[in-house]
Amino acid sequence: NAGVTQTPKFQVLKTGQSMTLQCAQDMNHNSMYWYRQDPGMGLRLIYYSASEGTTDKGEVPNGYNVSRLNKREFSLRLESAAPSQTSVYFCASRGEIEAFFGQGTRLTVV
Amino acid sequence: AQRVTQPEKLLSVFKGAPVELKCNYSYSGSPELFWYVQYSRQRLQLLLRHISRESIKGFTADLNKGETSFHLKKPFAQEEDSAMYYCALIPVSWGKLQFGAGTQVVVTP
Repeated sequence: NAGVTQTPKFQVLKTGQSMTLQCAQDMNHNSMYWYRQDPGMGLRLIYYSASEGTTDKGEVPNGYNVSRLNKREFSLRLESAAPSQTSVYFCASRGEIEAFFGQGTRLTVV
Repeated sequence: AQRVTQPEKLLSVFKGAPVELKCNYSYSGSPELFWYVQYSRQRLQLLLRHISRESIKGFTADLNKGETSFHLKKPFAQEEDSAMYYCALIPVSWGKLQFGAGTQVVVTP
């Protein structure tokens, strides 16, 4: 069972570069989420999608965009990366009971 | 607005001692509450949800609506309990799943 798959696992960007983090789930879940994890700040919600075709802002959406391409895929885009976006990013999908998480993407912006 | 507060960033306990992780929430309705755990080099995973009222790995959590708390407890900590623990809230089944800042638990022999 693949569960939630994120790519890439590691990425280094220069300030101002753009990139897209990919996330796919094979559990037929409606809800999908993007979080960032920073020391002392816990997991902060960037965006979420309650179903295919819908997205909504979380706590820290500035500097990010998302696309719910279909039921399986939910991508996160950084249009112009900033050092403040250095973080570990997690994608998750949720069924009726629990959320399942990807392995994370460690992003460094220099 | 919904909010989850975990006041302790770090809890250091000895093996065999009791451990309690505090979680307080603010939400006007009746949310669903969870505890998630992240062991070293593993993915975040569900530990407990308040609806199930079960004990997992010796941990229990009681929802106190009056105090808006959902503290996690274990009477005898084990070394394998060392991990990061997150309290989480979701207002409705299709809503925003929000996490607290997390508590790092270190169990020493």
